[in-house]
Amino acid sequence: EAQVTQNPRYLITVTGKKLTVTCSQNMNHEYMSWYRQDPGLGLRQIYYSMNVEVTDKGDVPEGYKVSRKEKRNFPLILESPSPNQTSLYFCASRQGGYNEQFFGPGTRLTVL
Amino acid sequence: SQQGEEDPQALSIQEGENATMNCSYKTSINNLQWYRQNSGRGLVHLILIRSNEREKHSGRLRVTLDTSKKSSSLLITASRAADTASYFCATDVTGNQFYFGTGTSLTVIP
Repeated sequence: EAQVTQNPRYLITVTGKKLTVTCSQNMNHEYMSWYRQDPGLGLRQIYYSMNVEVTDKGDVPEGYKVSRKEKRNFPLILESPSPNQTSLYFCASRQGGYNEQFFGPGTRLTVL
Repeated sequence: SQQGEEDPQALSIQEGENATMNCSYKTSINNLQWYRQNSGRGLVHLILIRSNEREKHSGRLRVTLDTSKKSSSLLITASRAADTASYFCATDVTGNQFYFGTGTSLTVIP
């Protein structure tokens, strides 16, 4: 089944404790992206990647890192999480060109 | 911000009625996409309309795009209880950067 998977689905952590949220897609998509969703703000793009080893900042990249060492994986790294990073995070992928995105199920992160 | 805005923020209708939601955006786009989200879950793509298209249909969905007004509308005909969800428009500005609106929460009453 074609899908985007994220792990973990739920995470509660404390300020400053490094964490990684994994994202994997099995559709051989070139493009992958991370979003955060906050009430009243919709989805905002954090980082995106056009292909392996090619990444760029989205609208709200501060406090986040990404890497794209393999085509299928695009982990989101929070080196020193803070409470304002408490949010619902989505990974998405799409084929090259102007096509629709396929979203993962989301990761709900709480930073205390 | 280039974020789009949906209107209305919330909409409640009876089953069988039509639902219309609107999206406005600020800059030139490559295409505009509509997504549905069921309570806290992942987004599901509904329809994509390119900047050179004015109208597109998919099943009970009809999307229009007016690039001169920088606006789009999504019409869901003969609504069902299962259509209850939040609906978001997303503008593809550069082919890599996407800007989502704040969403319309649709409730379809059986």
